[in-house]
Amino acid sequence: RKEVEQDPGPFNVPEGATVAFNCTYSNSASQSFFWYRQDCRKEPKLLMSVYSSGNEDGRFTAQLNRASQYISLLIRDSKLSDSATYLCVVGSGSARQLTFGSGTQLTVLP
Amino acid sequence: DADVTQTPRNRITKTGKRIMLECSQTKGHDRMYWYRQDPGLGLRLIYYSFDVKDINKGEISDGYSVSRQAQAKFSLSLESAIPNQTALYFCATSDAGTAYEQYFGPGTRLTVT
Repeated sequence: RKEVEQDPGPFNVPEGATVAFNCTYSNSASQSFFWYRQDCRKEPKLLMSVYSSGNEDGRFTAQLNRASQYISLLIRDSKLSDSATYLCVVGSGSARQLTFGSGTQLTVLP
Repeated sequence: DADVTQTPRNRITKTGKRIMLECSQTKGHDRMYWYRQDPGLGLRLIYYSFDVKDINKGEISDGYSVSRQAQAKFSLSLESAIPNQTALYFCATSDAGTAYEQYFGPGTRLTVT
């Protein structure tokens, strides 16, 4: 079983749609949680951290459920520029290592 | 200029050859990492270094070695390349205080024939 599991998609949605991605993690001792964004053939970049209380950054909302070991990302009013692969990332251990999910591919269609 | 640079950006090499991938950073971060990315597998950690004298194996270190020549430089070597090392390789850095936020270089696409 992968430590961090995501639905690979692809998700193809029209502009303006709301789309949600889910992620589960297996290490209950995980300490920190993130969503990274990766454009095609480019490097991953931090999109946002994820907190138990939930957090929002503009059109993006992230949620964490520690009891279910479940992380989500909601994108409202999708833009063409949101097309990318979204990586669910979990941090754990004294060395603060990151474990990456394999990513969910999103294409926003005009 | 980019904060994290990698050279070369693309490389095609033959089985059995030795190859070195280089990473430099101007962010002043102590921590540096090497990952590889394969389709459907996500990024996997090869080696990481918390300072010049501290090198640690990651999840998939077999077949690889690293050298931390300076705080700003971290190189990855494949002593004898094999085809299943064909992948996209990323270097990343982080600050000790915010270790989970990592900054990635543009990647090196390596093909071993």
